[in-house]
Amino acid sequence: EAGVAQSPRYKIIEKRQSVAFWCNPISGHATLYWYQQILGQGPKLLIQFQNNGVVDDSQLPKDRFSAERLKGVDSTLKIQPAKLEDSAVYLCASTYSRDFQETQYFGPGTRLLVL
Amino acid sequence: AQSVTQLGSHVSVSEGALVLLRCNYSSSVPPYLFWYVQYPNQGLQLLLKYTSAATLVKGINGFEAEFKKSETSFHLTKPSAHMSDAAEYFCAVTGGGADGLTFGKGTHLIIQP
Repeated sequence: EAGVAQSPRYKIIEKRQSVAFWCNPISGHATLYWYQQILGQGPKLLIQFQNNGVVDDSQLPKDRFSAERLKGVDSTLKIQPAKLEDSAVYLCASTYSRDFQETQYFGPGTRLLVL
Repeated sequence: AQSVTQLGSHVSVSEGALVLLRCNYSSSVPPYLFWYVQYPNQGLQLLLKYTSAATLVKGINGFEAEFKKSETSFHLTKPSAHMSDAAEYFCAVTGGGADGLTFGKGTHLIIQP
């Protein structure tokens, strides 16, 4: 079974530029999560999708971050404009359903450096 | 709301020694608890999870954890450390429903030869 795919793996941009990350979850997984992991900290949930609908985006900085999952499969997370403090690893995870007992499967992450 | 505290940002043990990584949680509802491991430049991998069944949970790679409600703890242990156990370990909690996972800050496990 293929795992969660993310691209790019690394990205370096200058502040005020825009950037986009892509995630393809495990086939058949209806629930998709984006996390931000700042160096030295645990992952922080940014947004949760159930199919193509948003379940929770309470911690997403909506003035600069946006995310979509138009067809209920792969997802894109965008930052525009980027700030220095956005430097982090962005992790995508998926589960078959929203059952909280289910294991979240994580992708390898996209490491973003904002200069 | 839920929160997790992992005591010790770095833990160093000798190869073959007991591994003990500490996790305390706070939750307003019955919690569901997880331990994840992260190797360098990789995503997180589930070690084990507590979902209100047995309080002693066995996971992969010889790890286990015990849920203690009275102590609000979910410490991770392994009887004998191996060099391949060197990684970052995260404890996480959810209260269920639409909540995602709330992670601790992580503990970096160092194995001394």
